[in-house]
Amino acid sequence: DAMVIQNPRYQVTQFGKPVTLSCSQTLNHNVMYWYQQKSSQAPKLLFHYYDKDFNNEADTPDNFQSRRPNTSFCFLDIRSPGLGDAAMYLCATSQTTGTVNQPQHFGDGTRLSIL
Amino acid sequence: GEDVEQSLFLSVREGDSSVINCTYTDSSSTYLYWYKQEPGAGLQLLTYIFSNMDMKQDQRLTVLLNKKDKHLSLRIADTQTGDSAIYFCAERASGGYQKVTFGTGTKLQVIP
Repeated sequence: DAMVIQNPRYQVTQFGKPVTLSCSQTLNHNVMYWYQQKSSQAPKLLFHYYDKDFNNEADTPDNFQSRRPNTSFCFLDIRSPGLGDAAMYLCATSQTTGTVNQPQHFGDGTRLSIL
Repeated sequence: GEDVEQSLFLSVREGDSSVINCTYTDSSSTYLYWYKQEPGAGLQLLTYIFSNMDMKQDQRLTVLLNKKDKHLSLRIADTQTGDSAIYFCAERASGGYQKVTFGTGTKLQVIP
């Protein structure tokens, strides 16, 4: 009963070829996040959507974009992947109401390889 | 900015207790979390504690929070081989938005 679903689990793309990773949720949470995780490191927040409001982290490269067409779906677009973008990409969701912030729930991730 | 530190590695024998430690710097932290990550998988929320609590117990898991020392620990009783994973401590600061800062992760190895 996966609640945060990421597709595909493994993605291979060529250097410089645009790629899109997808995330869907059945929790109806209002916040969705994208993290990048490299081997043996903590997840690094790229950006998040609070409802339709997009919030980019200051150090997220311009190469990374995101779309959230509706509550359930969120996409990560990498316009021109470089070798340094090979990583696990994690999607997470949470419900935030006023000052109450619920914990984040994660998908199983998409492992991106660059050829 | 916020900083969360953990030791990198812990090895225990099956059946023993494991204690994973975490220190953080943001005194305004409101929630502190423990996540488990198995190889090739996402992060699974194990438990969390609100900053006005000292302890929380959930079956084999016990979380202790020393707010004065900014120290959080996770104790796993009767550790099993299935507990082998990387454990991330994370904290959410007060104010601002929903940013969570993760520690570097502790790899727990359970020896049969």
